[in-house]
Amino acid sequence: KNEVEQSPQNLTAQEGEFITINCSYSVGISALHWLQQHPGGGIVSLFMLSSGKKKHGRLIATINIQEKHSSLHITASHPRDSAVYICAVRRSGGSNYKLTFGKGTLLTVNP
Amino acid sequence: EAGVTQSPTHLIKTRGQQATLRCSPISGHTSVYWYQQALGLGLQFLLWYDEGEERNRGNFPPRFSGRQFPNYSSELNVNALELEDSALYLCASPLMHTQYFGPGTRLTVL
Repeated sequence: KNEVEQSPQNLTAQEGEFITINCSYSVGISALHWLQQHPGGGIVSLFMLSSGKKKHGRLIATINIQEKHSSLHITASHPRDSAVYICAVRRSGGSNYKLTFGKGTLLTVNP
Repeated sequence: EAGVTQSPTHLIKTRGQQATLRCSPISGHTSVYWYQQALGLGLQFLLWYDEGEERNRGNFPPRFSGRQFPNYSSELNVNALELEDSALYLCASPLMHTQYFGPGTRLTVL
């Protein structure tokens, strides 16, 4: 079993819909990252969370440390949001920033 | 401030050859992380360099190696290439708990 599991694997939505992507992990963590990868490979870091909730524009990320679960929400989705969204965790302990990744969620937003 | 840069963008090699990939972190950053993204496998941690030393490596064979130079740029070498080494190789440098990723090198092994 992977240490980081994402669902769904694929998600298709109509423009304007509210999107939720889920991430569950099985190890102790010091931080959880949500990353966005567009076709061509470039990766952008969206959020780094260690507790609670963060919001940036139409994106909201939440984390529940006790339940080892995080969600990424996109409000009023737009075709330009189409990308792979990846959840990654940094394990607690240790001094490095090594990340363990989920397999990603491919989001397609149709106009 | 320039971001993380990688070269080359694409690299095509044949089985048994060696590949060299390069990464320059954000100016002043001393750490470089290498990740492999193979089709269907997701991103996997490869190597971590900091202050010129290899600090940690992922579950990859010894033919994956690298080094970090005094200016903190880094090289990833893959010897005796196999078909399954075909992947996108990403490097990243951390700052304030955020990882900044380079654009990647797409390695194709024929």
